[in-house]
Amino acid sequence: EPEVTQTPSHQVTQMGQEVILRCVPISNHLYFYWYRQILGQKVEFLVSFYNNEISEKSEIFDDQFSVERPDGSNFTLKIRSTKLEDSAMYFCARQGQRAIRGTDTQYFGPGTRLTVL
Amino acid sequence: KNEVEQSPQNLTAQEGEFITINCSYSVGISALHWLQQHPGGGIVSLFMLSSGKKKHGRLIATINIQEKHSSLHITASHPRDSAVYICAAQKTSYDKVIFGPGTSLSVIP
Repeated sequence: EPEVTQTPSHQVTQMGQEVILRCVPISNHLYFYWYRQILGQKVEFLVSFYNNEISEKSEIFDDQFSVERPDGSNFTLKIRSTKLEDSAMYFCARQGQRAIRGTDTQYFGPGTRLTVL
Repeated sequence: KNEVEQSPQNLTAQEGEFITINCSYSVGISALHWLQQHPGGGIVSLFMLSSGKKKHGRLIATINIQEKHSSLHITASHPRDSAVYICAAQKTSYDKVIFGPGTSLSVIP
């Protein structure tokens, strides 16, 4: 299974600080996603990204959040001014490489645990 | 109402038991995913289904499109199967995945 890597694995920050979470998918993928999981809750969709543009975003993805693919490889999620409630596990996912003819699956990175103090 | 529901919420089994986790969904889908999440937090894709049945080792996933229901079965369960199992629906190809609440499985030796 092709890998998706995420850095850092754990980020601790002070409230109000900016954080950048990074995802390194295989370069030939077209579709990228960010999800988050608050401790004890289910995984929630944040944003999807296709062809270097946002294709869909959830209500959670407000003006504090942004996504970029700055160098055509890394895929970043930026939170401009973190709040306590941003503490969560953030997962990057990608889809686009056909594992089996006619089907695709969505693969997830290992996650970045963000702790806002 | 949640678009993806799972039952049971928690499940404890003895090693060797046959385990079934159920998933129901209320939306039209192009694919149904089963995922595994270990205590460390990482999510691993187990299956993606659009019809019928798939098997991988001791894991079997089935789906009934008409009834909007899927099941994940684990045969000869083992303590290393202990994890949270998540059902997730995808409405169209390359769409976001809508996660269920997960089923926490504990297999006791």
